[in-house]
Amino acid sequence: AQSVTQLDSQVPVFEEAPVELRCNYSSSVSVYLFWYVQYPNQGLQLLLKYLSGSTLVESINGFEAEFNKSQTSFHLRKPSVHISDTAEYFCAVSEGGSEKLVFGKGTKLTVNP
Amino acid sequence: DAMVIQNPRYQVTQFGKPVTLSCSQTLNHNVMYWYQQKSSQAPKLLFHYYDKDFNNEADTPDNFQSRRPNTSFCFLDIRSPGLGDAAMYLCATRHRTEKLFFGSGTQLSVL
Repeated sequence: AQSVTQLDSQVPVFEEAPVELRCNYSSSVSVYLFWYVQYPNQGLQLLLKYLSGSTLVESINGFEAEFNKSQTSFHLRKPSVHISDTAEYFCAVSEGGSEKLVFGKGTKLTVNP
Repeated sequence: DAMVIQNPRYQVTQFGKPVTLSCSQTLNHNVMYWYQQKSSQAPKLLFHYYDKDFNNEADTPDNFQSRRPNTSFCFLDIRSPGLGDAAMYLCATRHRTEKLFFGSGTQLSVL
C-alpha cells in the first residue's frame, strides 16, 4: 500500500526567501503525485501534479516540484515566497489507475514579512 | 461559483446523537469521496463512490455510513458520534481526470 511522508510539519520563512517542502512516498507500482494547498477555513486545492513525462512540473504561481523515482521523492519548491503563500501544503499519491488518493500529514508554511 | 458544496460549514452535535453531513456537486462527476481530517493530521479517506458502487476503507468504523441517492448528492451519516469523531470532514469529486475537487469542508464538534 502506498504511503506519504512529509518530514516537516512547520516551515517558517521570510518573504522573498526560497523554500522547499519535502515529500517522500512509498509504493510498489507506478504512481501519480500531487501537491494540494489548503488556505485557512477552505478546502484543498490542487497546486500541481505529476502523471508522466517530464519529471519537473510547475504551477501558475511559481511553485515547482520534481519527481525523483530513485529517491521516491516529490519535493515542492519556490525560489521566492510571498506572504500570500502562507498555507498548509499536502503531498498526495495515488497508485496508477487507482481512485484512492493518500495524503501526507501536511506542512504548514508561514511566510513572515 | 462553488462546484462542490458542503453544508453546513460548522456542525455541532451531542455525544451519541446521530448527525448527517451533506455534499452536493454541480460537476456531474462520477466519483465522490469523504475524507476525515483531524487537526495536524493528513486527510484520511473514509469511503468513496464510483457511480453507485460503494467502496469502504477497511479501517473506517462501522459508526460511519454513507448514502449517494443520485450523482449530485452524497451524505455522511455518523450514527453515534464520539468525542474522537470531532474533525473536519471533506467531500471531494473526480471524473476521469486525476484531479480531485474539494468542498470547503464541514467542521464537526461533538459536545
